[in-house]
Amino acid sequence: AQSVAQPEDQVNVAEGNPLTVKCTYSVSGNPYLFWYVQYPNRGLQFLLKYITGDNLVKGSYGFEAEFNKSQTSFHLKKPSALVSDSALYFCAVRDMDSNYQLIWGAGTKLIIKP
Amino acid sequence: DGGITQSPKYLFRKEGQNVTLSCEQNLNHDAMYWYRQDPGQGLRLIYYSQIVNDFQKGDIAEGYSVSREKKESFPLTVTSAQKNPTAFYLCASSIDSGFYGYTFGSGTRLTVV
Repeated sequence: AQSVAQPEDQVNVAEGNPLTVKCTYSVSGNPYLFWYVQYPNRGLQFLLKYITGDNLVKGSYGFEAEFNKSQTSFHLKKPSALVSDSALYFCAVRDMDSNYQLIWGAGTKLIIKP
Repeated sequence: DGGITQSPKYLFRKEGQNVTLSCEQNLNHDAMYWYRQDPGQGLRLIYYSQIVNDFQKGDIAEGYSVSREKKESFPLTVTSAQKNPTAFYLCASSIDSGFYGYTFGSGTRLTVV
């Protein structure tokens, strides 16, 4: 079965430091991977996606993600965190077995401290 | 601007009542989805529809119903059979079955009073 895991419920980072939010996946075939962000009481906003090509994907708000096929990971990164980056982050993978829907990770709460 | 509109933003339901949450999109997307989100939790799929007049149950469909009479609209009814309906409900759409990802509405917060 295809799946995606976000091993950390919460990540705490000081403002100005680099941040990483982890995501690992299990799929048959080539993965289509996504990152979304959710601010309190709002819908999810698209950050970036990996379909094919370069392993480093650049997205919105200065975020990027590194696709690593051998480690089946797609970690979200940002070189210098802002307090406004504090939010809930979701990783998703396209399910090739079930009508190609997105399978969602449980989410990681990112807290950036001033 | 194109997008998804969910209404109302806040909804209060009395015990035993059915309530309907609206979801409208003007993106010309074929597929639409309803998710439930509980505090601090991830997304759980309630129903989805890939084409007009057709929809499938997701992981937690019991106590919910949907219709897809128009491409633009995918309303969700929370019935009295749903024993714990208090949650944040998110509607999403995609141009196909998710190749380009989903576009989400801003959500409806339902509270039982």
